[in-house]
Amino acid sequence: AQSVTQLGSHVSVSEGALVLLRCNYSSSVPPYLFWYVQYPNQGLQLLLKYTSAATLVKGINGFEAEFKKSETSFHLTKPSAHMSDAAEYFCAVSQNPGTASKLTFGTGTRLQVTL
Amino acid sequence: EAQVTQNPRYLITVTGKKLTVTCSQNMNHEYMSWYRQDPGLGLRQIYYSMNVEVTDKGDVPEGYKVSRKEKRNFPLILESPSPNQTSLYFCASSLGGPSNYGYTFGSGTRLTVV
Repeated sequence: AQSVTQLGSHVSVSEGALVLLRCNYSSSVPPYLFWYVQYPNQGLQLLLKYTSAATLVKGINGFEAEFKKSETSFHLTKPSAHMSDAAEYFCAVSQNPGTASKLTFGTGTRLQVTL
Repeated sequence: EAQVTQNPRYLITVTGKKLTVTCSQNMNHEYMSWYRQDPGLGLRQIYYSMNVEVTDKGDVPEGYKVSRKEKRNFPLILESPSPNQTSLYFCASSLGGPSNYGYTFGSGTRLTVV
């Protein structure tokens, strides 16, 4: 079975500070890993995905994530937070490619950015 | 514009009154899915469809029905809604499976059952 655990339901950072959102996964096979972002009153948008190519994945809006197999982690980072980054972030995992695939989402981390 | 359109955005209904939430995508995607989002629980999959006339249960299918008669539409049906189905619902579509292509999500339907 596949699952993801997001540590910290709420994270608060100052504008300009490093953003670090944690995600650990459980998968019996090499996983596909994703980060999605949800802005208020909107659906989820894909930030980035890992599909067994480079372990450091760059996404939109300056975010990146590093796949670490030894730690079963896929943490999301951004060097300098902007006010516009305030949103809820979801990590997701899949074990299967193609149309048989199923994404399992974490419980989400709400990012607050303060002045 | 490529998008997934859900209607309605907000709905308040009474226990037991059948309702349908519509979902339509204009991207010719094969794969469609319904999720519900609840505080502290993240997104949980209700049903998904890999193509026309092919549907399967997700993690929380009880109390829901779906159909996929056309590629673009994937309605969610609550035959007898109950208060525990009060939630935020999202429809999502994918070109050939979310592992390879990710999802495009609709804007959500906030359902309240009283």
